[in-house]
Amino acid sequence: AQTVTQSQPEMSVQEAETVTLSCTYDTSESDYYLFWYKQPPSRQMILVIRQEAYKQQNATENRFSVNFQKAAKSFSLKISDSQLGDAAMYFCALLRGTYKYIFGTGTRLKVLA
Amino acid sequence: SAVISQKPSRDICQRGTSLTIQCQVDSQVTMMFWYRQQPGQSLTLIATANQGSEATYESGFVIDKFPISRPNLTFSTLTVSNMSPEDSSIYLCSVTPRGQTQETQYFGPGTRLLVL
Repeated sequence: AQTVTQSQPEMSVQEAETVTLSCTYDTSESDYYLFWYKQPPSRQMILVIRQEAYKQQNATENRFSVNFQKAAKSFSLKISDSQLGDAAMYFCALLRGTYKYIFGTGTRLKVLA
Repeated sequence: SAVISQKPSRDICQRGTSLTIQCQVDSQVTMMFWYRQQPGQSLTLIATANQGSEATYESGFVIDKFPISRPNLTFSTLTVSNMSPEDSSIYLCSVTPRGQTQETQYFGPGTRLLVL
């Protein structure tokens, strides 16, 4: 079975600080993609960052970076210099096979001014 | 990228009725999907909307309850039939634009449905 687990229902971070959101997954596939999506209160899902499983180098997008540990099946998201606009629900997702995403239950991130 | 709109953005419905949700994309897409996000839960794939043929449903979802149409490459509808309070959810469509591969998906803004 393919699963994605986010063990932190809610996290808080002080503005300008760094926060790490955790995600673990399980798949028997050797080739897959991992994603972090952001869903602000307005509900529009936005892709934050993605990682191809065959790439050893961790993906980075500006203030967002991942720590991809393939053997441990771990895919955490680090947000540096947190901003008020980062407050949202963050979903970790696994894509295996054709087009079928499996999402975690989400982590609600609060940014404190 | 793709700009996706959904109508209605929200609705309150009585049990036993049906609601049709529209998903419109500003460009042609190869794949269109419908997801459900129940309160406090993650997204669950309902079905893949296939152009010109019957949708492909995931386990636990059936055509009688969630009929889907996709008449062309930019538009799809999802109907939630004979609604019950358990159908209260956010329903989202997502797309993979033409020329892009499966790891590229864009999501619509969602339709928030409350069934009384």
